[in-house]
Amino acid sequence: GENVEQHPSTLSVQEGDSAVIKCTYSDSASNYFPWYKQELGKGPQLIIDIRSNVGEKKDQRIAVTLNKTAKHFSLHITETQPEDSAVYFCAASTRVTGGGNKLTFGTGTQLKVEL
Amino acid sequence: EAQVTQNPRYLITVTGKKLTVTCSQNMNHEYMSWYRQDPGLGLRQIYYSMNVEVTDKGDVPEGYKVSRKEKRNFPLILESPSPNQTSLYFCASQGRDTEAFFGQGTRLTVV
Repeated sequence: GENVEQHPSTLSVQEGDSAVIKCTYSDSASNYFPWYKQELGKGPQLIIDIRSNVGEKKDQRIAVTLNKTAKHFSLHITETQPEDSAVYFCAASTRVTGGGNKLTFGTGTQLKVEL
Repeated sequence: EAQVTQNPRYLITVTGKKLTVTCSQNMNHEYMSWYRQDPGLGLRQIYYSMNVEVTDKGDVPEGYKVSRKEKRNFPLILESPSPNQTSLYFCASQGRDTEAFFGQGTRLTVV
């Protein structure tokens, strides 16, 4: 099955700096790569996603890049703010028999933005 | 408003006492899943369902059961909970080729 590795497990940056989180996946059939943000006491929420036919996607201060050949994708957050502090999860999605998409998650990155 | 609702949010129980965590979604999604979240291990899929009466094991199904009698509901059943099932549980709902929506989570402690 799919295996997703995520690094680093913790990341501390100064407000205004950039943050980068990296993930690798093992199954070349994976075709959808979402990123989720989990704030304390809440469920994960989608912040950005990318499909396998695209190399890069940007949404304001957040961008995701995908290298299908190397099987890795990254989340980039620019001009970080205290409200960016949270746990971030990457995931890779593969089709399952009968329809639907199975998400396999990375182990998470605790991002702390310091004033 | 698109919503996945889990209940209860917090639960403390004793070893061996059967319990059910409910999950309901209002988006008419076919695909629903249960995950457990443990420190350093991320989110691991327990069971999933592709439609009514269609369920299958995820990556860590031992000790859990599910049912899908209606499209909107997907309860998680622990017939005989053990301390190693102490965890944070999330239900998720997903349409075909759409993002997954997660519930608020259920923090379960088994003593």
